[in-house]
Amino acid sequence: SAVISQKPSRDICQRGTSLTIQCQVDSQVTMMFWYRQQPGQSLTLIATANQGSEATYESGFVIDKFPISRPNLTFSTLTVSNMSPEDSSIYLCSGVGQGITEQYFGPGTRLTVT
Amino acid sequence: QKEVEQNSGPLSVPEGAIASLNCTYSDRGSQSFFWYRQYSGKSPELIMFIYSNGDKEDGRFTAQLNKASQYVSLLIRDSQPSDSATYLCAVNSGGYQKVTFGIGTKLQVIP
Repeated sequence: SAVISQKPSRDICQRGTSLTIQCQVDSQVTMMFWYRQQPGQSLTLIATANQGSEATYESGFVIDKFPISRPNLTFSTLTVSNMSPEDSSIYLCSGVGQGITEQYFGPGTRLTVT
Repeated sequence: QKEVEQNSGPLSVPEGAIASLNCTYSDRGSQSFFWYRQYSGKSPELIMFIYSNGDKEDGRFTAQLNKASQYVSLLIRDSQPSDSATYLCAVNSGGYQKVTFGIGTKLQVIP
């Protein structure tokens, strides 16, 4: 299984600012994903991070709000832009190894927007 | 829209009993099925996956899949208080490594 780390683990941000979350995987993965988990809810897929190209966003999520980069096979960033209190959530990075379908998750970033 | 349905619970079982967690899915083309355990304030941890009809056992955990009924379950034998967590069912519809998660069932094992 892949070991995934995220930074920061938590942050409190002011409305209108942006936060960039970093995700590092200890081994090469074929796919990397970003999820959001709001209190009491399940995981919602934001986008698939594609190496060297634009991310693939799910319905309801747009690049201007959640720009994503993946410069290589083991690293990705998610930026939450122009934040509002509705963006308060846990943001999770996940990865899938080559030839398998099981996803592994990072520890998450707990974001609070005031 | 592809959906994964779970009862949110809580499901309460006494210590030592069998906990049975259930999940149904809407996409008949789904090919891979996963169970994740999520402790409060932690990220999901993969505990079981199953691809074929029937049962798959791993220690105290058994995953059961019935594609005809579009039903997948997780049995936890000899439940322990440390099993108290939310269990997320996830389904992959194939061709692309993206899964859809259910809302999760909260399990409480009573000592």
